[in-house]
Amino acid sequence: ILNVEQSPQSLHVQEGDSTNFTCSFPSSNFYALHWYRWETAKSPEALFVMTLNGDEKKKGQISATLNTKEGYSYLYIKGSQPEDSATYLCALPNTSGTYKYIFGTGTRLKVLA
Amino acid sequence: DAMVIQNPRYQVTQFGKPVTLSCSQTLNHNVMYWYQQKSSQAPKLLFHYYDKDFNNEADTPDNFQSRRPNTSFCFLDIRSPGLGDAAMYLCATSRGRSLYNEQFFGPGTRLTVL
Repeated sequence: ILNVEQSPQSLHVQEGDSTNFTCSFPSSNFYALHWYRWETAKSPEALFVMTLNGDEKKKGQISATLNTKEGYSYLYIKGSQPEDSATYLCALPNTSGTYKYIFGTGTRLKVLA
Repeated sequence: DAMVIQNPRYQVTQFGKPVTLSCSQTLNHNVMYWYQQKSSQAPKLLFHYYDKDFNNEADTPDNFQSRRPNTSFCFLDIRSPGLGDAAMYLCATSRGRSLYNEQFFGPGTRLTVL
């Protein structure tokens, strides 16, 4: 079974700070990586689907990069706002490229006003 | 507009008393998933449907069953809930089998077992 790790488990930043966190995975048999944001009391929502080594995607002040050779993806938030407070989850397909996903435990971000 | 709806949002049941959680979708997606998430853990896939084709995860307890009567609805039945089944249950959908298709989630049902 694929091992997906996220770090840190949680962090607190001040409003306006930039921050980043990591999703790590085995570099062999990579197919795709999904990032989700899950705000409290809401539904998890998709942020990015990363597929190619070197991929860089951006949505507003949030961006993500992918390094499949070394087995990690970074999620960056520039100028964090309180509304960015959420749990950020990454997920990868299990072995053999099936559409069953293994999730990390998430990074819980709290942005303090 | 709500796309994946889960009812109820909070469910309290007694030890051993059967409970059903429901999920509906307006996206007409082929695939529906049920995940279990316990505190501070990763969401864990219990089973999924591709249309009516049911796929159970090997480590999903027999206590957990699912039904998908039509494209829009999917149910999770817990036949005899134990204290260890208290968790957040997430329903998700995706369009087809592509690994590049994002999943759309409901807000989850938080199950408490007394």
